[in-house]
Amino acid sequence: AQKVTQAQTEISVVEKEDVTLDCVYETRDTTYYLFWYKQPPSGELVFLIRRNSFDEQNEISGRYSWNFQKSTSSFNFTITASQVVDSAVYFCALSEARDYKLSFGAGTTVTVRA
Amino acid sequence: SAVISQKPSRDICQRGTSLTIQCQVDSQVTMMFWYRQQPGQSLTLIATANQGSEATYESGFVIDKFPISRPNLTFSTLTVSNMSPEDSSIYLCSGRQGGETQYFGPGTRLLVL
Repeated sequence: AQKVTQAQTEISVVEKEDVTLDCVYETRDTTYYLFWYKQPPSGELVFLIRRNSFDEQNEISGRYSWNFQKSTSSFNFTITASQVVDSAVYFCALSEARDYKLSFGAGTTVTVRA
Repeated sequence: SAVISQKPSRDICQRGTSLTIQCQVDSQVTMMFWYRQQPGQSLTLIATANQGSEATYESGFVIDKFPISRPNLTFSTLTVSNMSPEDSSIYLCSGRQGGETQYFGPGTRLLVL
């Protein structure tokens, strides 16, 4: 069974600081997909990024960047120069190609203070 | 990306009653799913809504409690039956078009008294 672990429960930073969210996953499948979703206080779940298991290239998209390392089964996510609007719960999730069901981590609450 | 809407956005219900939640996608999706998020918790998959056939339920969820319909490729309903306060949660539907990403609706906030 697939499993996603987000060890950080809460992170509090001052505006403009960088925030790195940790995610460790378990899966037996060779083809899988990793995601980060954001859930602001309004409750909707917003897709941020996706990474495929066969592509370990790390990228930057605006203020978001990620570090995918298969050797350590980690998929960490960084927000650069955080803003108050980044305050939300962030979920790491995993799906396997055989059924595309999403397994979510427990979530990390990020609070950005002005 | 698919745009997903849900009705109602929130409701307050009495125990013992049932509520049907609607999920509408603006374009055809190959797969639709229903998730539950209990207060302060993460999301848990309830079932995969299969078009034209019975939904596939995850362990701990049964059809009698959470009947699901999916009559076509853009619409699905989830009913929460014989509700109790423990059913108070956010219920979210999601859709996958053909790529690997699931997009979510805004959720339905349910409070059972």
